[in-house]
Amino acid sequence: KQEVTQIPAALSVPEGENLVLNCSFTDSAIYNLQWFRQDPGKGLTSLLLIQSSQREQTSGRLNASLDKSSGRSTLYIAASQPGDSATYLCAVNTINKFYFGSGTKLNVKP
Amino acid sequence: DAGITQSPRHKVTETGTPVTLRCHQTENHRYMYWYRQDPGHGLRLIHYSYGVKDTDKGEVSDGYSVSRSKTEDFLLTLESATSSQTSVYFCAISEGLAGAWETQYFGPGTRLLVL
Repeated sequence: KQEVTQIPAALSVPEGENLVLNCSFTDSAIYNLQWFRQDPGKGLTSLLLIQSSQREQTSGRLNASLDKSSGRSTLYIAASQPGDSATYLCAVNTINKFYFGSGTKLNVKP
Repeated sequence: DAGITQSPRHKVTETGTPVTLRCHQTENHRYMYWYRQDPGHGLRLIHYSYGVKDTDKGEVSDGYSVSRSKTEDFLLTLESATSSQTSVYFCAISEGLAGAWETQYFGPGTRLLVL
């Protein structure tokens, strides 16, 4: 059974800092890995999708990397802003099933 | 945004009563999913559907049943609600491409409180 772990569970940083969120998974037989953002009381919004054959994806200030063989992914957020405060979840896709980590709650202080 | 709606958005019910949550999509996607989200557990799959009348269990399916009579609607029923089923329930959809581009789109969630 696929297990997805996210560390840390919570993170508080001052505005402007660069930060890294971590995601690990136990079974490397995945189609892709996705990072989502969840605001309080809301659904999930997709940020980045990395196919299993890719090493990284970038969108604006976000960069996600994938090392499938070691079962690890990182989400790098550059120059963090208070508007980045949210919970970030990673999910791995295996044959139309998605397995989620429990998320990292990020607080960016002004 | 993907066209996914959930109803009701909030519900308070009593232990032992049946509850049905509805997910409606306008994207004509093949796969539909029900998750529950609880603190410290992330999202856990309850049931999913890969077509009309085709459903399968997820990792936390006990006490839940589902039905899909139309492509656009996926119903989740708590047969006899218990306090442990207090949670936020999310519906999601995906095209069912079974490949590296497959992604999920989420509804806004339903907050259920079982007293």
